[in-house]
Amino acid sequence: AQRVTQPEKLLSVFKGAPVELKCNYSYSGSPELFWYVQYSRQRLQLLLRHISRESIKGFTADLNKGETSFHLKKPFAQEEDSAMYYCALSGPGSYIPTFGRGTSLIVHP
Amino acid sequence: DAGVTQSPTHLIKTRGQQVTLRCSPKSGHDTVSWYQQALGQGPQFIFQYYEEEERQRGNFPDRFSGHQFPNYSSELNVNALLLGDSALYLCASSDSGAGGNEQFFGPGTRLTVL
Repeated sequence: AQRVTQPEKLLSVFKGAPVELKCNYSYSGSPELFWYVQYSRQRLQLLLRHISRESIKGFTADLNKGETSFHLKKPFAQEEDSAMYYCALSGPGSYIPTFGRGTSLIVHP
Repeated sequence: DAGVTQSPTHLIKTRGQQVTLRCSPKSGHDTVSWYQQALGQGPQFIFQYYEEEERQRGNFPDRFSGHQFPNYSSELNVNALLLGDSALYLCASSDSGAGGNEQFFGPGTRLTVL
């Protein structure tokens, strides 16, 4: 069975500090990994996916198959990064993501 | 384009009743998925509709059913409501022609069962 684990319910940092939101997954095969974000009073939206290998809003995430992790990182957090972040996984050809429970990121001024 | 729209925004029902939630996909999208998001949890996949057929289904009982119309809009029906059905119900649409990988979410319908 596929599973996504986000061990931190809440992550609180100060502006300018580095951020790492953890995501571990369980899947037998080659999954596709995503990070979704939900800002206050906005709808859930895709932030980035591992196959794109892009940096979005300064965030990057690297798929580590050995550690089955897909941690989201940003070197210098901004107040506008405060949001709920969900890691998600889908099997190849499935396109139905399995979501983690989410991590609330709060960036203090 | 208003993106994915859902109605109603909020709904209060009592146990045993039936409810219908509605979703209009983003313009150009042909696939609609429904999710249930309980408080403090991530969205859980209910089912997906494509070409007016249920294409995939998550681990939800038959009380949860759906429909997709020729204009790609969709309904989620829940029968014999339980207290545990209280949640935010999200609709997401995607374009199968673009690979269907990226899902665009609606604002959700908050269902409260008393």
